[in-house]
Amino acid sequence: EPEVTQTPSHQVTQMGQEVILRCVPISNHLYFYWYRQILGQKVEFLVSFYNNEISEKSEIFDDQFSVERPDGSNFTLKIRSTKLEDSAMYFCASPTGSRSWADTQYFGPGTRLTVL
Amino acid sequence: AQSVTQPDIHITVSEGASLELRCNYSYGATPYLFWYVQSPGQGLQLLLKYFSGDTLVQGIKGFEAEFKRSQSSFNLRKPSVHWSDAAEYFCAVGPRGNTPLVFGKGTRLSVIA
Repeated sequence: EPEVTQTPSHQVTQMGQEVILRCVPISNHLYFYWYRQILGQKVEFLVSFYNNEISEKSEIFDDQFSVERPDGSNFTLKIRSTKLEDSAMYFCASPTGSRSWADTQYFGPGTRLTVL
Repeated sequence: AQSVTQPDIHITVSEGASLELRCNYSYGATPYLFWYVQSPGQGLQLLLKYFSGDTLVQGIKGFEAEFKRSQSSFNLRKPSVHWSDAAEYFCAVGPRGNTPLVFGKGTRLSVIA
């Protein structure tokens, strides 16, 4: 299975602080996704990113969230001012298929964000 | 809108017994269907997927799933469950291409001796 990596594995932060979650996707793919899973609930889509631009976003992805590709290999999800309800597992997903046509999505191991 | 229903929140089976986890979807066209497994505190691992062709698909760890268009179902099966199969199982649907997956709420599988 293709490997997608995420750092950190666990992040604890105080409410109102900014956090940056990082992901290294399958090499050279133009598509990229972030999902969230609140404890005990289903996995929910946050945002997709294509060729350095947001392709689609959900209602959850409000102004406090942003995504970037700071360099050729890493993607980041930034939460500007964290709230208690942002506590969740955040997954990045990288598809296979051609560079411009997504296929199967492979998920990273996730970052557990705890907001105190 | 797409949706996925996993009617069983929690299932307990004995080790060595057979398993079937149910998944129903709502989608306007033929979807791409996936099953993922999540062990406690871990990420999502792809078990199997259906895109087209043979409606019975084989996956990893001895799992299989059958796509039934008439029933809008994609049930996951395993003939003999092992204790290591205890985990959360998620069914997901998505059209091919560059769109996000829609997940069901998951079924937690417990395996007893």
